[in-house]
Amino acid sequence: GQQVMQIPQYQHVQEGEDFTTYCNSSTTLSNIQWYKQRPGGHPVFLIQLVKSGEVKKQKRLTFQFGEAKKNSSLHITATQTTDVGTYFCARLIQGAQKLVFGQGTRLTINP
Amino acid sequence: EAGVTQSPTHLIKTRGQQATLRCSPISGHTSVYWYQQALGLGLQFLLWYDEGEERNRGNFPPRFSGRQFPNYSSELNVNALELEDSALYLCASSLAGSVGELFFGEGSRLTVL
Repeated sequence: GQQVMQIPQYQHVQEGEDFTTYCNSSTTLSNIQWYKQRPGGHPVFLIQLVKSGEVKKQKRLTFQFGEAKKNSSLHITATQTTDVGTYFCARLIQGAQKLVFGQGTRLTINP
Repeated sequence: EAGVTQSPTHLIKTRGQQATLRCSPISGHTSVYWYQQALGLGLQFLLWYDEGEERNRGNFPPRFSGRQFPNYSSELNVNALELEDSALYLCASSLAGSVGELFFGEGSRLTVL
């Protein structure tokens, strides 16, 4: 239905390693948003993807939207300790105008 | 420019009591959203207000209610508190009626004993 599934739930990496989180839906997504929540903080908007096959980059972060618009990914190259936090994807439910969030991927980093 | 502000930061109540949480959106934003984030869990959609009207609500019982004032600020009321209502309640705002980027406040942490 409306849910988006995120995997993995947790990821622990060594500083400098890469990190990827995936967001999957059984139905076509109108768009996908990504948010980051630092420990003890609030979610902060990172990006919105709208077009099929879209790829956007923000420094070491690469966001992709699948060709079928049913999945998305966030890849971080060469993680730094500042990347620690939980990364959420969120889908917009058209008409209802609400964002439904995935369960998030919690990233921890060993310095 | 001030961001989304929420009060109180922390609130401790006992079962059966009522809690009221408040939110002021970013200036110029007319839409306010409320989300519940239980410890270690994702964000569950609670309510959406736009132009003073409740536009949508999530799968929460009627004891979760709220309103939006003419200045677009909002409050969330939780009646007959239960232990499982303990969570971080996040308010977010966006420009009128369109869910683009959501700007979240720091949240109000409600603890029910």
